[in-house]
Amino acid sequence: KAGVTQTPRYLIKTRGQQVTLSCSPISGHRSVSWYQQTPGQGLQFLFEYFSETQRNKGNFPGRFSGRQFSNSRSEMNVSTLELGDSALYLCASSPKGRVNQETQYFGPGTRLLVL
Amino acid sequence: QKEVEQDPGPLSVPEGAIVSLNCTYSNSAFQYFMWYRQYSRKGPELLMYTYSSGNKEDGRFTAQVDKSSKYISLFIRDSQPSDSATYLCAMSRSSGNTPLVFGKGTRLSVIA
Repeated sequence: KAGVTQTPRYLIKTRGQQVTLSCSPISGHRSVSWYQQTPGQGLQFLFEYFSETQRNKGNFPGRFSGRQFSNSRSEMNVSTLELGDSALYLCASSPKGRVNQETQYFGPGTRLLVL
Repeated sequence: QKEVEQDPGPLSVPEGAIVSLNCTYSNSAFQYFMWYRQYSRKGPELLMYTYSSGNKEDGRFTAQVDKSSKYISLFIRDSQPSDSATYLCAMSRSSGNTPLVFGKGTRLSVIA
């Protein structure tokens, strides 16, 4: 069974631009969570989606948004990019309606560099 | 004070050594505790998952939780060069529908 896939793997943008990242969960998984990983702050929760609905949101500004499609694929968007948005963005999928950390699997991440 | 504190290392040990990795936390509501391993250019993968206090063993890995001290540990016996990675602790208040809170990770190098 294929794992969580994220595209693109690497991205370079400039300040003020916007970016969209994509996540395809493991087949059959319906819950998708997004995390930001930086050396300074570590891994921080962004948001979680299930059945196209956002169920949880972390403490990030409104420039960070996401959505989930009917096939469970998810996208996250960051508008008006800032230098501090440079990070590894990780997506994780879970098969159950309630995110069960024991069966949550991470993708390889998208590394975003903002210049 | 951050909810979860973890020494970032780096930690360098010889092959075969016993490795001890630790995290402390401040939120007494945490009940589920996890350890993840993250290789370079990869996403985290779950190593150990425990509920409440106590020990859990899986092969060369042992996870310990001491809720009274708000302290969790991961022990790696007979460490191998393939164990070289960043180890992240994570915890949550419940098993579902609550986000994980991560430590910043400890970078481990096992030298052959």
